[in-house]
Amino acid sequence: DTAVSQTPKYLVTQMGNDKSIKCEQNLGHDTMYWYKQDSKKFLKIMFSYNNKELIINETVPNRFSPKSPDKAHLNLHINSLELGDSAVYFCASSQRGTRNQPQHFGDGTRLSIL
Amino acid sequence: AQSVTQLDSHVSVSEGTPVLLRCNYSSSYSPSLFWYVQHPNKGLQLLLKYTSAATLVKGINGFEAEFKKSETSFHLTKPSAHMSDAAEYFCVVSDPETGNQFYFGTGTSLTVIP
Repeated sequence: DTAVSQTPKYLVTQMGNDKSIKCEQNLGHDTMYWYKQDSKKFLKIMFSYNNKELIINETVPNRFSPKSPDKAHLNLHINSLELGDSAVYFCASSQRGTRNQPQHFGDGTRLSIL
Repeated sequence: AQSVTQLDSHVSVSEGTPVLLRCNYSSSYSPSLFWYVQHPNKGLQLLLKYTSAATLVKGINGFEAEFKKSETSFHLTKPSAHMSDAAEYFCVVSDPETGNQFYFGTGTSLTVIP
């Protein structure tokens, strides 16, 4: 009964490859997010989707492309992986427009580029 | 503009002594405030949230935080630190004027010395 689940948990791959990370939430939330956490633990918002519509698109290389097939899923596809993409990527969800509702986070995907 | 400042990047306390993690925010409206904890190699877990019902908010694991509007602060405290409290802590503000977008502090790493 995991609320926000990400797969895979670990991803080790070589530079130049293309990879995807999947995220699903069963909380009935209407908004989902992708964050990147670097080695210093800084959390940077990358994207946010509300009811399958992109609402936040921060300055992120266009090698990163989110896709939301429905409001319970938000996947992240990364093309031509680079060394600097090594990080932990977190998916989160929330109910937008409802005051005081927190985000719920997945356990993260640890991406290592060789 | 909304922002969150966590005043200490690292805090070290002895087991059994009080914990104080400081957070200041700026918000143009009455914000929602949250504290999250991240244990090593884990996702972010909600510790507590400020809902405007009471200025002193109690959370899980004996943590609490006090909302002080005059000081624009939301400091996290615990009377007696436990070894299991060693983790990264994030203060987060959400502002209804920006569609409840979430703004993260840079995190405070708590070390508990036996």
